[in-house]
Amino acid sequence: DAGVIQSPRHEVTEMGQEVTLRCKPISGHDYLFWYRQTMMRGLELLIYFNNNVPIDDSGMPEDRFSAKMPNASFSTLKIQPSEPRDSAVYFCASSSLGETQYFGPGTRLLVL
Amino acid sequence: TQLLEQSPQFLSIQEGENLTVYCNSSSVFSSLQWYRQEPGEGPVLLVTVVTGGEVKKLKRLTFQFGDARKDSSLHITAAQPGDTGLYLCAGGGGSEKLVFGKGTKLTVNP
Repeated sequence: DAGVIQSPRHEVTEMGQEVTLRCKPISGHDYLFWYRQTMMRGLELLIYFNNNVPIDDSGMPEDRFSAKMPNASFSTLKIQPSEPRDSAVYFCASSSLGETQYFGPGTRLLVL
Repeated sequence: TQLLEQSPQFLSIQEGENLTVYCNSSSVFSSLQWYRQEPGEGPVLLVTVVTGGEVKKLKRLTFQFGDARKDSSLHITAAQPGDTGLYLCAGGGGSEKLVFGKGTKLTVNP
């Protein structure tokens, strides 16, 4: 079975541009998580969904960040406008019934 | 805010040596998980410990959950180059959010 799929794997953009990260969770999983990983702060939970509904977005840094899950097989994380401090690796993870989380390979974002 | 402190931050050893890494918190967690992350990939779950004092073994890896469920350790016996990676501990899970430590970056030299 395919694992969690993320795209793009790498993104380089200029400050002020809109960035959209995409995630396809494992089929049948009802939880989806977005994380951000940096050297300074480690792995931080940004937001998670249960059955496509956002449950906790307290980790979203500010209004420039938004996440959607229009259906059970797709989610997006959008940054608008992007800033250099948003540079990080963004991971999507999914789980069934809130148990073991399976992580995607991540999107490495660089904002110049 | 629950925090997990991992130590050491970096560890470089020779093949065949033993090592222990630590995960400590001032908070009690219902469970604690250990992950390994390789460069360019996402973290992969190694083990979940739930009961205070619990010890789990996974081949050469031994995981222990503290009696008070505030700390955990990972011991690797006879480390191999394939053990190289970032080891992350995370508290919570299930209906609780996972809180991750910053990790221990392990390098095992041939």
